[in-house]
Amino acid sequence: AQRVTQPEKLLSVFKGAPVELKCNYSYSGSPELFWYVQYSRQRLQLLLRHISRESIKGFTADLNKGETSFHLKKPFAQEEDSAMYYCALSGKGNNRLAFGKGNQVVVIP
Amino acid sequence: KAGVTQTPRYLIKTRGQQVTLSCSPISGHRSVSWYQQTPGQGLQFLFEYFSETQRNKGNFPGRFSGRQFSNSRSEMNVSTLELGDSALYLCASSSGLDRSTDTQYFGPGTRLTVL
Repeated sequence: AQRVTQPEKLLSVFKGAPVELKCNYSYSGSPELFWYVQYSRQRLQLLLRHISRESIKGFTADLNKGETSFHLKKPFAQEEDSAMYYCALSGKGNNRLAFGKGNQVVVIP
Repeated sequence: KAGVTQTPRYLIKTRGQQVTLSCSPISGHRSVSWYQQTPGQGLQFLFEYFSETQRNKGNFPGRFSGRQFSNSRSEMNVSTLELGDSALYLCASSSGLDRSTDTQYFGPGTRLTVL
């Protein structure tokens, strides 16, 4: 079974402060991990995926297989980062995404 | 490129009725996946269609079904509606080919309310 856990529902941070969203997963095979973001009144969209190992909008996420985690980090939060963030996983080579419950991030100016 | 479109955007039905939702993928995409989003359960995978065939199925009862047409447009149907089927239904399209780099693009969703 695949499961994704995002422990904090709401995270408020001040502009310029670091932000870290935690994501833990359970999966018996080799998962692919993703972070999706939904800005106000916009569609759910892919932010980044572990396989590409790139930084998007200043965000990075490292897959830690030992701790089964894929935490999302940004060193300096911006107001435009206020959004809902979802961690998701799929089995290797399949499109079936299992999502966490999401984190609402509010960046305080 | 036009994005994923879903129709209708809002729907109100009563218990026992059935409903059909439609999803038009991005041009050239052959995979369409459906998700149900509710406050209690979050986003849950319903099924995926690729080239008119169901390729993956989530853990939903048989009242939830879908199909895909030759132009890759997809429909999902829910029969004998229950109050708990009230949700936002999202579809996502992707090329469905190189799955290691495939990206799912989501539509705006259809908000279904069952009274």
